[in-house]
Amino acid sequence: NAGVTQTPKFQVLKTGQSMTLQCAQDMNHEYMSWYRQDPGMGLRLIHYSVGAGITDQGEVPNGYNVSRSTTEDFPLRLLSAAPSQTSVYFCASSSINRDRGRYEQYFGPGTRLTVT
Amino acid sequence: EDQVTQSPEALRLQEGESSSLNCSYTVSGLRGLFWYRQDPGKGPEFLFTLYSAGEEKEKERLKATLTKKESFLHITAPKPEDSATYLCAVQGISGNTPLVFGKGTRLSVIA
Repeated sequence: NAGVTQTPKFQVLKTGQSMTLQCAQDMNHEYMSWYRQDPGMGLRLIHYSVGAGITDQGEVPNGYNVSRSTTEDFPLRLLSAAPSQTSVYFCASSSINRDRGRYEQYFGPGTRLTVT
Repeated sequence: EDQVTQSPEALRLQEGESSSLNCSYTVSGLRGLFWYRQDPGKGPEFLFTLYSAGEEKEKERLKATLTKKESFLHITAPKPEDSATYLCAVQGISGNTPLVFGKGTRLSVIA
């Protein structure tokens, strides 16, 4: 049981390039989400998904796309990288308890992205 | 709008010196309050979920408590390995509402 995995660990992009950050979980969790973490800003939600085929925007969705074709995978696409997207990106997953909402959300190890 | 404020921003303790971290929140109906630990260069690690006022949970030297407006993370006789950033998050009443995180408290425990 690997939990939540993310690739790559580090990435450097030039302005205007596109790329996909990969996220996978093996816990059969319905709920998955992407956050970015910047100094002094805390964790900010980019996009989330409550199940395969369903995605929604978070607090800072501009410049990012997501899709959820399977329960296990939730890739994050940067369409045209900008220096403002330099950050550490975390993927998270959790099961959904219908009575209590989400609980025990687990995070991946993160991808450190630099855009020059 | 759901909000979470953590204090202090940073805390420096001597080994064995107990203290508490605070998480104040405003939320339109609380479904859950979450505590995480984050070490430098790593993802947040889940610690506790609290669901209702008066609830308490413990894990080793950590104890989390919850009132209607705030949560405390009590650290008893901390050790240097407890040094980390501690994050608090809340989830509002709507079933799929995303977690809202505070900015964290950076704890340093000095031997």
